[in-house]
Amino acid sequence: DAMVIQNPRYQVTQFGKPVTLSCSQTLNHNVMYWYQQKSSQAPKLLFHYYDKDFNNEADTPDNFQSRRPNTSFCFLDIRSPGLGDAAMYLCATSRADRGNSPLHFGNGTRLTVT
Amino acid sequence: GEDVEQSLFLSVREGDSSVINCTYTDSSSTYLYWYKQEPGAGLQLLTYIFSNMDMKQDQRLTVLLNKKDKHLSLRIADTQTGDSAIYFCASELGTPLVFGKGTRLSVIA
Repeated sequence: DAMVIQNPRYQVTQFGKPVTLSCSQTLNHNVMYWYQQKSSQAPKLLFHYYDKDFNNEADTPDNFQSRRPNTSFCFLDIRSPGLGDAAMYLCATSRADRGNSPLHFGNGTRLTVT
Repeated sequence: GEDVEQSLFLSVREGDSSVINCTYTDSSSTYLYWYKQEPGAGLQLLTYIFSNMDMKQDQRLTVLLNKKDKHLSLRIADTQTGDSAIYFCASELGTPLVFGKGTRLSVIA
């Protein structure tokens, strides 16, 4: 019944070692988002895909990249994780229609950097 | 751009009503949403209201919208310990939604 699925739930990586987080959806939504959330803070949008169009937020570090090979999947690549990149990473989807397009979130991947 | 503000903390006794408030700045917002986040989980959509409505009720949840003051509230009746979480208000002007910083609700047994 899960609609936005993130794997893994917990990921440990070493400082500087590339890591990829994955997200899949069964909702057939054409917009997919990646958010970073640190403790007790609001989710911070990193980027989103509107269909195949990639939209990067101005303050997203170059260290963060994303790929969307098809409608159902989206990946977050962190090329050289630093200690400051330890956070919960949330994937979300929505329809492209304007009006009543809430985001549907996965349960997140908690990234630890050692 | 749109700015969404919420108070950070709220503490209530079990069985009382909770009221979580939110203000936004852009009157063009079409839909306003409430999300709930439990520890270690993603955000769960609780309810939403269209901007031409004043009130929406859904079981224990009541959403009130004062469009003139750009003020949104979420009332939870008969608050239970399972309602302890962070509640985020979000405004829709287009893609993406604009989130508030979240209100941490603590329910005291």
